[in-house]
Amino acid sequence: GAVVSQHPSWVICKSGTSVKIECRSLDFQATTMFWYRQFPKQSLMLMATSNEGSKATYEQGVEKDKFLINHASLTLSTLTVTSAHPEDSSFYICSASSLSDEQFFGPGTRLTVL
Amino acid sequence: DAKTTQPTSMDCAEGRAANLPCNHSTISGNEYVYWYRQIHSQGPQYIIHGLKNNETNEMASLIITEDRKSSTLILPHATLRDTAVYYCIVRDRDDKIIFGKGTRLHILP
Repeated sequence: GAVVSQHPSWVICKSGTSVKIECRSLDFQATTMFWYRQFPKQSLMLMATSNEGSKATYEQGVEKDKFLINHASLTLSTLTVTSAHPEDSSFYICSASSLSDEQFFGPGTRLTVL
Repeated sequence: DAKTTQPTSMDCAEGRAANLPCNHSTISGNEYVYWYRQIHSQGPQYIIHGLKNNETNEMASLIITEDRKSSTLILPHATLRDTAVYYCIVRDRDDKIIFGKGTRLHILP
């Protein structure tokens, strides 16, 4: 099956710094990538949808200036959490969709902001 | 708004079949029923999907009622590694995936 990777798998940063998370589709070209956030004991919440070469579409309530998404190629999307605060600590998961419209999920990145 | 309703949690004895129900009474004609699961601290894993007919793969079976208003995911011989949160999702094939609260399945030794 299709493989999606994320890097890093976990990161700890100081409050006020920015953190970049990468999402890669390893064996297929992803026309669309999605970013989710999951707080402890809660379900995944969709943050944004990104299409290669165009601006991301953010879900209601998600600050686009705080969560910068870049989808520069068909195999790579990045999420940058700018000026991170402790309340941004969460599990961030990406998924990638191919032309067949099936979505494949990455393993997630755990962000802890001190 | 959640398109599906699932029980919050279920228990199943190891080796027995786990039957997870899902109600989706407002499903439209071109929407599929998808099942994913999430093992603790991992990304969601695709299990199976279907439109009208029952489906089976190496992981599970999906039984969809004739009126398509409900479905059941069946794990034929549950193991401890099947302990996870199971999400039933209704969507068009090119729609984004919106997760509900899912069912927390505990496999008991």
